[in-house]
Amino acid sequence: KQEVTQIPAALSVPEGENLVLNCSFTDSAIYNLQWFRQDPGKGLTSLLLIQSSQREQTSGRLNASLDKSSGRSTLYIAASQPGDSATYLCAVKVTSGSRLTFGEGTQLTVNP
Amino acid sequence: GAVVSQHPSWVICKSGTSVKIECRSLDFQATTMFWYRQFPKQSLMLMATSNEGSKATYEQGVEKDKFLINHASLTLSTLTVTSAHPEDSSFYICSAEPALQETQYFGPGTRLLVL
Repeated sequence: KQEVTQIPAALSVPEGENLVLNCSFTDSAIYNLQWFRQDPGKGLTSLLLIQSSQREQTSGRLNASLDKSSGRSTLYIAASQPGDSATYLCAVKVTSGSRLTFGEGTQLTVNP
Repeated sequence: GAVVSQHPSWVICKSGTSVKIECRSLDFQATTMFWYRQFPKQSLMLMATSNEGSKATYEQGVEKDKFLINHASLTLSTLTVTSAHPEDSSFYICSAEPALQETQYFGPGTRLLVL
C-alpha cells in the first residue's frame, strides 16, 4: 500500500527566504506526482505535475523535483512571499486511472 | 479552463435530515469524479470514485448507504448524506478527471455542519 509522508508538518519563515518542502512515498513505482496548494477553507489548486519519466517541473518561483528510486520529491519555493502562506499537499498516482494518495501536508506561513 | 464547481458551499442542517451536494465540471466532460472528506488539520480522505453511468466504488470503511453518489452525466455528480448526524460534519471536496488526462481538478469544497 502506497503511503505518502510530508516533512515538516509546519514551517514558518520570514519573507524573501528560499525554502524546500519534502515529500516521500513508500512505493517507487508511481505514475505521476502532483503538488497542490490549499488555502484555509478552500479546495485544492494544482501547482505542478511531474510524470514518472520526468525529473523536475518549474512554474515561476516554484520548482518540483522527483527522484523515483529514493521515493522522494521536493518543492522549492524561491523568494517566498506572504501570499505563499497556505498548506501544500503532495499526491502520487500509482497507475494510469488510479486514485491519488495524499500526504498530510505542510502548513507554510511566510511572515512579512 | 478546467473549472469544477460545488454547490452549496456551506450547509447547516438538523440531525436526521439528508443533504445533497452537487459537483459540476463547467468546461469539460469528466469520465471520473472523486469525493473526498477532510477533517480540520488533516489531509484529504478519498470516500468514493464514480464513473458516469455506473455505480460508485467506495473506499473501505465508507458506508455506501449513508453516502449516496450519483454520476448521472459527464458534468455532474452528486453526494447525498442521508440521515446526517453531527459526526458527519466535515469539509467535502469533489474532483473531476477529464478523459485521457491524468490530472484531477478540484472543486472549492462544501462545509457541512450537522446540529
